[in-house]
Amino acid sequence: DIQMTQSPSSLSASVGDRVTITCRASQSISSYLNWYQQKPGKAPKLLIYAASSLQSGVPSRFSGSGSGTDFTLTISSLQLEDFATYYCQQSYSTPNTFGQGTKLEIK
Amino acid sequence: QLQLQESGPGLVKPSETLSLTCTVSGGSISSSSYYWGWIRQPPGKGLEWIGSIYYSGSTYYNPSLKSRVTISVDTSKNQFSLRVSSVTAADTAVYYCASLSIAASQTFDYWGQGTLVTVSS
Repeated sequence: DIQMTQSPSSLSASVGDRVTITCRASQSISSYLNWYQQKPGKAPKLLIYAASSLQSGVPSRFSGSGSGTDFTLTISSLQLEDFATYYCQQSYSTPNTFGQGTKLEIK
Repeated sequence: QLQLQESGPGLVKPSETLSLTCTVSGGSISSSSYYWGWIRQPPGKGLEWIGSIYYSGSTYYNPSLKSRVTISVDTSKNQFSLRVSSVTAADTAVYYCASLSIAASQTFDYWGQGTLVTVSS
């Protein structure tokens, strides 16, 4: 199985901050990397697919980059509604695997 | 826009079989553009892919669960289903169904709201 490791596991930030979350795969996954946002009690929501493609309807302050084994999710200017848990997921091979999550909290 | 809705018992006894159904609306489950999948999330923990199915019936399972999991599709009802046998407390989780967009690198693009299944006697 391909292991996905996110860092940090938690992060405190303020509204307006620029935030970056990292995801590392245990082997190359090309650009088969997706990012999701999950709020408490809700289903995950797709933000970014194929490493850098913005899902329709997602604000442009979200961006993704990377290929191979190292990927990043960047939020350019945090808004109140962005405080949530973020997961990366590889779709390069089965079993599809997720990172352990990064909880973004208000400072 | 696709909408997915999970249904099934919220409480299952240990050693019994968990059964859930996902009803798809807003599109056809027979679309060649999608796979259909199940993901679960134990309380307070991360996400685990259980398996996926194509409308033709081709299935892909997580090896960690493969011996206990069956996913099936009913195109006449626009539904797909999950069965997990011999459940234990470790199978307690919120179970989500989702669509996997083939065009978008097999991303889980639409999700159901999730249903909590508790395994307890």
